[in-house]
Amino acid sequence: DAKTTQPPSMDCAEGRAANLPCNHSTISGNEYVYWYRQIHSQGPQYIIHGLKNNETNEMASLIITEDRKSSTLILPHATLRDTAVYYCIVRAVNFGNEKLTFGTGTRLTIIP
Amino acid sequence: DAGITQSPRHKVTETGTPVTLRCHQTENHRYMYWYRQDPGHGLRLIHYSYGVKDTDKGEVSDGYSVSRSKTEDFLLTLESATSSQTSVYFCAIKSSRDGQPQHFGDGTRLSIL
Repeated sequence: DAKTTQPPSMDCAEGRAANLPCNHSTISGNEYVYWYRQIHSQGPQYIIHGLKNNETNEMASLIITEDRKSSTLILPHATLRDTAVYYCIVRAVNFGNEKLTFGTGTRLTIIP
Repeated sequence: DAGITQSPRHKVTETGTPVTLRCHQTENHRYMYWYRQDPGHGLRLIHYSYGVKDTDKGEVSDGYSVSRSKTEDFLLTLESATSSQTSVYFCAIKSSRDGQPQHFGDGTRLSIL
């Protein structure tokens, strides 16, 4: 699996857009980019994923560069409840025979 | 939220005792996983299942066994618990559809004294 690099921590003002970068320069053509977050000691929460195109759902938007070597997770209007550790994971689809490798992630703090 | 229930949510037990953790899903998903999370290690895969009675080892399977006799239940057993198995255990499920993500339960906090 491709390795990912994320900044260890970021702050964002409440109500502003939070933009979380992820570098995955060794990504292969069949590898998806997944984003999860973990709030306190809760289970990791799936946010969004994509292969090539930009994606948007009710939680966030995912922007993947044309060369696929990096991506950005955008939380459009951050709230205090978005304070969490965010993980960017790159994983090839392999008929479910897979483990997700969670790195150290980005600790996002939303400032009131 | 994905229909995943882990039980118990918290357990304290003594070294040498057997412990079974249960993961129950209502999504009828084919794939189920057990991870443990420890400070400094992130999430590590213990075992996973790709169908009823079909299981395989993950990266930290020593000291653990699993069983899946029904689609909805995936059990993790510590035959003789040790203090090194004190951890937070997460179950995850995944659809067999291409590219779908894993969805996680709320975890079981296990302390072995």
